[in-house]
Amino acid sequence: RKEVEQDPGPFNVPEGATVAFNCTYSNSASQSFFWYRQDCRKEPKLLMSVYSSGNEDGRFTAQLNRASQYISLLIRDSKLSDSATYLCVVNAAHNQGGKLIFGQGTELSVKP
Amino acid sequence: DAGVIQSPRHEVTEMGQEVTLRCKPISGHNSLFWYRQTMMRGLELLIYFNNNVPIDDSGMPEDRFSAKMPNASFSTLKIQPSEPRDSAVYFCASSLVNYGYTFGSGTRLTVV
Repeated sequence: RKEVEQDPGPFNVPEGATVAFNCTYSNSASQSFFWYRQDCRKEPKLLMSVYSSGNEDGRFTAQLNRASQYISLLIRDSKLSDSATYLCVVNAAHNQGGKLIFGQGTELSVKP
Repeated sequence: DAGVIQSPRHEVTEMGQEVTLRCKPISGHNSLFWYRQTMMRGLELLIYFNNNVPIDDSGMPEDRFSAKMPNASFSTLKIQPSEPRDSAVYFCASSLVNYGYTFGSGTRLTVV
């Protein structure tokens, strides 16, 4: 089983749609969770951290369910510029010096 | 802040040649990571350092790969001899422990 698993995608949605990505992680000791965005031929960039209480940043909402070891990202009113690959990221055990584990990513394509 | 700086941006080399990739982390960050990304395997962690000390090199493919971090502001990843299957984008990232990473722009390596 992979340490971080994501929806395989790709997701093809029209502008204005709401889209949700899901992710599960295997290490119950993980403490830090993130969503990264990667544009084609670019480096991954931090989109948002994920907190236990859930958090929102504009059109983006992240949720964490520790009991189910599940993370989600919701994008409302999607824009053409949201087209990218979204990476679910989880830290390794607390004694592994900040090592992060990346999922394979879910590709999103927003169409006019 | 200039961010994480990698060089070169692109490298094309012949099989059997030595390749050296360079990285300057963000000042003050105490962790540095080398990743490789391919379409087939996604982002793979090769090695990471905390306070200039290698912590986990289990992701280094084989003895042809080596990495050093002689000081807090510089790291190298060396491949000797290079092979066509080493062709990938190599990312360097830095962070403060348990915070998200900042990635460099990557080095696109092609071995012919």
